[in-house]
Amino acid sequence: DAGVIQSPRHEVTEMGQEVTLRCKPISGHDYLFWYRQTMMRGLELLIYFNNNVPIDDSGMPEDRFSAKMPNASFSTLKIQPSEPRDSAVYFCASSRFLTGTQRDQPQHFGDGTRLSIL
Amino acid sequence: RKEVEQDPGPFNVPEGATVAFNCTYSNSASQSFFWYRQDCRKEPKLLMSVYSSGNEDGRFTAQLNRASQYISLLIRDSKLSDSATYLCVVNRGSWGKLQFGAGTQVVVTP
Repeated sequence: DAGVIQSPRHEVTEMGQEVTLRCKPISGHDYLFWYRQTMMRGLELLIYFNNNVPIDDSGMPEDRFSAKMPNASFSTLKIQPSEPRDSAVYFCASSRFLTGTQRDQPQHFGDGTRLSIL
Repeated sequence: RKEVEQDPGPFNVPEGATVAFNCTYSNSASQSFFWYRQDCRKEPKLLMSVYSSGNEDGRFTAQLNRASQYISLLIRDSKLSDSATYLCVVNRGSWGKLQFGAGTQVVVTP
């Protein structure tokens, strides 16, 4: 079975540029999550969707960040304009149920996108 | 205070030995608990869920202490392949949003 697919794997760009990260969740998973991981702050939840609808975006750091899920098999996380402090690994994860409502329903993570803003 | 706190380590463990470490959480309404494993420059992967009664999965044993609000992970007969960062994960109340600890690094040496 295909897992969560993220692209690109690596992105290096100059500050001020627009960055778009992409994610394809596991088929049949109704929940999609975007996380950011840094050495300083660890793994942080940015936003999550249920059936393509954003449910909680309280973790989105600023208005420069936006996320969309136009259909069940695709989501994007966009940063515009990008800044050096946005450099991090961005993970997308999906799950069939919302964790806590069903036992052993973990979130499955993609390989991540390593983003470097110069 | 962080919602989920872990000793960052590293825990240096001789191959074959046993290692154990804890994680504390602050939200008493938390209902689901997990240990994830993350290898260097890789994505987190679920190692095991933690049940109220404690549970084992091969060489791994997880315990939950609700009164003191901590969970533990014990690894028996450590293998070199167990070297990784172990993330303690707690659901944030009943909303299902997971809160990840910063991780405990384990290094198993020959």
